[in-house]
Amino acid sequence: QQQVKQSPQSLIVQKGGISIINCAYENTAFDYFPWYQQFPGKGPALLIAIRPDVSEKKEGRFTISFNKSAKQFSLHIMDSQPGDSATYFCAASNYGQNFVFGPGTRLSVLP
Amino acid sequence: GAVVSQHPSRVICKSGTSVKIECRSLDFQATTMFWYRQFPKQSLMLMATSNEGSKATYEQGVEKDKFLINHASLTLSTLTVTSAHPEDSSFYICSAEGQSEQYFGPGTRLTVT
Repeated sequence: QQQVKQSPQSLIVQKGGISIINCAYENTAFDYFPWYQQFPGKGPALLIAIRPDVSEKKEGRFTISFNKSAKQFSLHIMDSQPGDSATYFCAASNYGQNFVFGPGTRLSVLP
Repeated sequence: GAVVSQHPSRVICKSGTSVKIECRSLDFQATTMFWYRQFPKQSLMLMATSNEGSKATYEQGVEKDKFLINHASLTLSTLTVTSAHPEDSSFYICSAEGQSEQYFGPGTRLTVT
């Protein structure tokens, strides 16, 4: 119930391509779904987040798509750049507490 | 956004010694802070939840006598790794809860020789 599944484990994309990372959850009490970006040797940083009252949120090249009925959400990175190469974690929480993290996706964007 | 700092960023210690890592929320008060451990190329593993003014809550399998957590104020939590061993070498990350969000520190790389 508390698990958040994330796929793929690793992803290689050409510069300019679209990177897509998917997550799924079980606990319907979750009401906040953030994505974090982590560079090697650094702590995770909040990238973008969504609440279940909307189906999509876009910030620059980053978009979250949310499917409440399927209990799935995904991160899309448009026009992927080498500087986007990092590990991405999805997470879910209820009322800003009890954060549960996905296992992470290592993204490599080739120049 | 909110800023969380950690000190030190890197520490090397000898086996058997103790190491203290500090986590500070710089521009907000955090009633709750979290301590994570991360092995290379792996996800974040929650070690414990630190609540200001009360005892920390440890996750299953985490030795509370080995990983001492103190949350003395609304802006400071400390993790002390006691009697460190080489297998304790890892990347330790704290986060602070504020405004219904978790803000992560930059992490501390601990190497035990």
